[in-house]
Amino acid sequence: GAVVSQHPSWVICKSGTSVKIECRSLDFQATTMFWYRQFPKQSLMLMATSNEGSKATYEQGVEKDKFLINHASLTLSTLTVTSAHPEDSSFYICSARDLWTSSNEQFFGPGTRLTVL
Amino acid sequence: GQQVMQIPQYQHVQEGEDFTTYCNSSTTLSNIQWYKQRPGGHPVFLIQLVKSGEVKKQKRLTFQFGEAKKNSSLHITATQTTDVGTYFCAGVTTMDTGRRALTFGSGTRLQVQP
Repeated sequence: GAVVSQHPSWVICKSGTSVKIECRSLDFQATTMFWYRQFPKQSLMLMATSNEGSKATYEQGVEKDKFLINHASLTLSTLTVTSAHPEDSSFYICSARDLWTSSNEQFFGPGTRLTVL
Repeated sequence: GQQVMQIPQYQHVQEGEDFTTYCNSSTTLSNIQWYKQRPGGHPVFLIQLVKSGEVKKQKRLTFQFGEAKKNSSLHITATQTTDVGTYFCAGVTTMDTGRRALTFGSGTRLQVQP
């Protein structure tokens, strides 16, 4: 099946620093990747939709200047949390859709746990 | 905005008992997807329902999409300990702009006691 990787798996950083998270589709091409955050025992909240070669579409309430998304190729999207603060601590998960299938199935990465001290 | 509600939030069953989770959307959906997330893991796609009134089965799992395409259910017959996890529905809506949005339900956490 399709595999999506995320790097890093977890990161601890100081308040005020920026953190970059990578999302890669390993064996398929994805024009669209999605970024979610998930708080403990809660549902996934869609943050933004990342489209290859164009600007990301952010959900209401998500600051685009704080969560920078770059989808430079059909297999890589990055999320940069700028000037991170403790309230940004969360589990960030990306997902991707296969370019060549008509299915809406999304393949999820393993997630990145961010802790901001 | 669109809301997708799921009930119950949590259910604890004895192994062998049945389990059902229900999903309701505030708006009509293009289709609905179901995912399972094991503790500490990431969501894994189970199935997609597209047609009004559609019923699909995967072994002990039965998925149903309502006639009005606003609700759905997942039923597990004779639960096993391997069924433990959180089950999410995710509704897909198509906006006027043509953009599609996927909204996850709040999830139902299933615990199965051996």
